[in-house]
Amino acid sequence: QQPVQSPQAVILREGEDAVINCSSSKALYSVHWYRQKHGEAPVFLMILLKGGEQKGHEKISASFNEKKQQSSLYLTASQLSYSGTYFCGTEDSGGSNYKLTFGKGTLLTVNP
Amino acid sequence: EAGVAQSPRYKIIEKRQSVAFWCNPISGHATLYWYQQILGQGPKLLIQFQNNGVVDDSQLPKDRFSAERLKGVDSTLKIQPAKLEDSAVYLCASSLDKGTSGAKDTQYFGPGTRLTVL
Repeated sequence: QQPVQSPQAVILREGEDAVINCSSSKALYSVHWYRQKHGEAPVFLMILLKGGEQKGHEKISASFNEKKQQSSLYLTASQLSYSGTYFCGTEDSGGSNYKLTFGKGTLLTVNP
Repeated sequence: EAGVAQSPRYKIIEKRQSVAFWCNPISGHATLYWYQQILGQGPKLLIQFQNNGVVDDSQLPKDRFSAERLKGVDSTLKIQPAKLEDSAVYLCASSLDKGTSGAKDTQYFGPGTRLTVL
């Protein structure tokens, strides 16, 4: 089942902070975050695993609440380069294959 | 390290025609994925290969879509015949892991092929 992302879109001024949320109705094993700029491939940002392990980008942080099946991506002191569409991909617990289901995305626009 | 390569980058065809896309994953990556991304949506998995075997094709419209990964390296995705609703970007991705549950490896995406069906 597709995870739900919120907000759908957000507009910031350079230097402001933003939080993007991702929630699922299923128990999750991991959450993966990607950023996609217009006309380009999705670029990996972060993996959050059940049990607390994280791997990813130094300047972007995220949290994973296993009990609530939710993840949040924190973008602090935003830069113009942060603009793009952010997708979360979720992997269900107990799945036999490594398979990600992506949300519809959150469009982030950072203005000067 | 070279990334995931895809070709062509753009393709315009008329409905009922056939089309094929090619993907070369990152060297040494065991798992290859094909995704369909419709405008304004997240990528949707069509098929997943582990080496040259199909792991998951549950969302592949098998009456018109087919894919193969001969020799466990590059892959082709074919649509025959195409419909208007197939207009989308087709993304290929690869990962190092063997596709087992509890994945800890990143999926790396190629630039995609933008298909327009008229």
